[in-house]
Amino acid sequence: AQSVTQLGSHVSVSEGALVLLRCNYSSSVPPYLFWYVQYPNQGLQLLLKYTTGATLVKGINGFEAEFKKSETSFHLTKPSAHMSDAAEYFCAVSLGETSYDKVIFGPGTSLSVIP
Amino acid sequence: DAGVIQSPRHEVTEMGQEVTLRCKPISGHNSLFWYRQTMMRGLELLIYFNNNVPIDDSGMPEDRFSAKMPNASFSTLKIQPSEPRDSAVYFCASRPSLGNTGELFFGEGSRLTVL
Repeated sequence: AQSVTQLGSHVSVSEGALVLLRCNYSSSVPPYLFWYVQYPNQGLQLLLKYTTGATLVKGINGFEAEFKKSETSFHLTKPSAHMSDAAEYFCAVSLGETSYDKVIFGPGTSLSVIP
Repeated sequence: DAGVIQSPRHEVTEMGQEVTLRCKPISGHNSLFWYRQTMMRGLELLIYFNNNVPIDDSGMPEDRFSAKMPNASFSTLKIQPSEPRDSAVYFCASRPSLGNTGELFFGEGSRLTVL
């Protein structure tokens, strides 16, 4: 069964600093990987996803993530944090894109941005 | 286009009462997911449907919980009787089959408080 771990339940960075949120997964087959963001009192929205092909994927708001199969990782980065990036971030894994595939989420990382 | 619509947005009830949460997925989406979010457990997958058929309900905590999808445009999650430990935010998400990229589309959630 697939699972997702996120190192650090809370991360604080200064405005303008690098953002690094860690995600590791376990899966018996090459997975599809996702990062979602949740702002207060809202649902989750997709930041970016990896399915196949290029291992460095770019998403919205300047975020990107790199799929490293050897490390079973899919860490999320952004070169320069903005105050509006403060939110909860979730890494998720799915075995594929068929209708029968469930999506499992990690525990989440709360990002604070210090002015 | 309308997104995933959940109702009610907030529900406060007393222990022992029946609670029904409702979800209208995005038109044309064939898969529907129910998640529960708490501080302690994060995002838990409760159940998901494909073409109105429950595929995996292993996440449903106990018999007090039940979910139905009578047609492609409506699903309910019912808790009877409710208990204080059921207090959480319940999210519904949908996903298309055709042109599926794996992305889930979330509603804004139903915040349940059981006193």
